Amino acid sequence: NAGVTQTPKFQVLKTGQSMTLQCAQDMNHNSMYWYRQDPGMGLRLIYYSASEGTTDKGEVPNGYNVSRLNKREFSLRLESAAPSQTSVYFCASSLDRRYEQYFGPGTRLTVT
Amino acid sequence: KQEVTQIPAALSVPEGENLVLNCSFTDSAIYNLQWFRQDPGKGLTSLLLIQSSQREQTSGRLNASLDKSSGRSTLYIAASQPGDSATYLCAVNNQAGTALIFGKGTTLSVSS
Repeated sequence: NAGVTQTPKFQVLKTGQSMTLQCAQDMNHNSMYWYRQDPGMGLRLIYYSASEGTTDKGEVPNGYNVSRLNKREFSLRLESAAPSQTSVYFCASSLDRRYEQYFGPGTRLTVT
Repeated sequence: KQEVTQIPAALSVPEGENLVLNCSFTDSAIYNLQWFRQDPGKGLTSLLLIQSSQREQTSGRLNASLDKSSGRSTLYIAASQPGDSATYLCAVNNQAGTALIFGKGTTLSVSS
């Protein structure tokens, strides 16, 4: 099992560009999550999907959109990147929201 | 609003020492609590999950306790090794089970 995989690993964008971060899990988990990690701020939830077909906002959703493409895949889209979105982005999944969350290796995004 | 605090922010110990990492949270209405390890530049590795009805969980040299009424959890590491050097993160799952709220972590350094 690969667990939770994320692509790309690194990305540099210019202000105003758009991109989609991809996440996939092979553990047959129902719930998936997107977090960002910033120095001094810790990890914060952007969006989550409790089950296939549902998505909900987390603590810091502004500037992002998500798509739960199927049970395995959960993507995060930045429509118009801003320097404030420079961060490390982590995807996670769990059997359901009551259980242990498993994290991917992260995507390091720099917006200039 | 739930807040999670981890003390100390950094800790240095010699190899072989037993140590305790502390985590406190402001709202005792939690679903569960999870401890993670993060190595530099890497994703999060789940160490232990404690449900709100449990008092402790053990995995190898690790033991985590939970006192929900006082809003505290501790992670005990026995016979520390240089390979234990990492940042340890505590996260609480809110009562709806929809989001992990993270502390900022304790960075542990174990010297040989």
